[in-house]
Amino acid sequence: DSGVTQTPKHLITATGQRVTLRCSPRSGDLSVYWYQQSLDQGLQFLIQYYNGEERAKGNILERFSAQQFPDLHSELNLSSLELGDSALYFCASTPDGGAYEQYFGPGTRLTVT
Amino acid sequence: KNEVEQSPQNLTAQEGEFITINCSYSVGISALHWLQQHPGGGIVSLFMLSSGKKKHGRLIATINIQEKHSSLHITASHPRDSAVYICAGLDTGNQFYFGTGTSLTVIP
Repeated sequence: DSGVTQTPKHLITATGQRVTLRCSPRSGDLSVYWYQQSLDQGLQFLIQYYNGEERAKGNILERFSAQQFPDLHSELNLSSLELGDSALYFCASTPDGGAYEQYFGPGTRLTVT
Repeated sequence: KNEVEQSPQNLTAQEGEFITINCSYSVGISALHWLQQHPGGGIVSLFMLSSGKKKHGRLIATINIQEKHSSLHITASHPRDSAVYICAGLDTGNQFYFGTGTSLTVIP
């Protein structure tokens, strides 16, 4: 158990809908990373937050947004969902915003029908 | 061309064999991660290194910054090592570049 929690574990929704994925980092970790893993694209870095502020942005679509709250949990919002957004979404946390080994959550499997 | 290339893509080994997975990158990175993903989907970070060599149990990771190359070695492989191994480079802008993974199967 990494100490990182993600909810929900599974999510099935229709095209055009909006969903919110939640991540709670390990106790004491200030930085949260979001990743998408799809069958055809592999793992992709989406975005990083550190202590409530956006630190780095990767291949995140404009339809997606994220935030980190004062209690350090983070949410990834996906809107106007398309079939191609079906994927595993992982979050990971580190003690601060630097280069550390990351602790991954179990992931949320999103299926868009 | 991917910024991070892994080889081999697939690897089958007999239990007890010494295994090497290679990772080459074309971007400037400040650190390189090795990740393990089991069939159930969970991801575990094995190593994060920016120079030299690290060892954890039967796993050894090395990196040569000048040659832009890293290797992951597994000694005395075991069926429970069967997983996908992914390397990921982190650049100074905190961008991650992932390899496509090496699928390892260790046969008893």
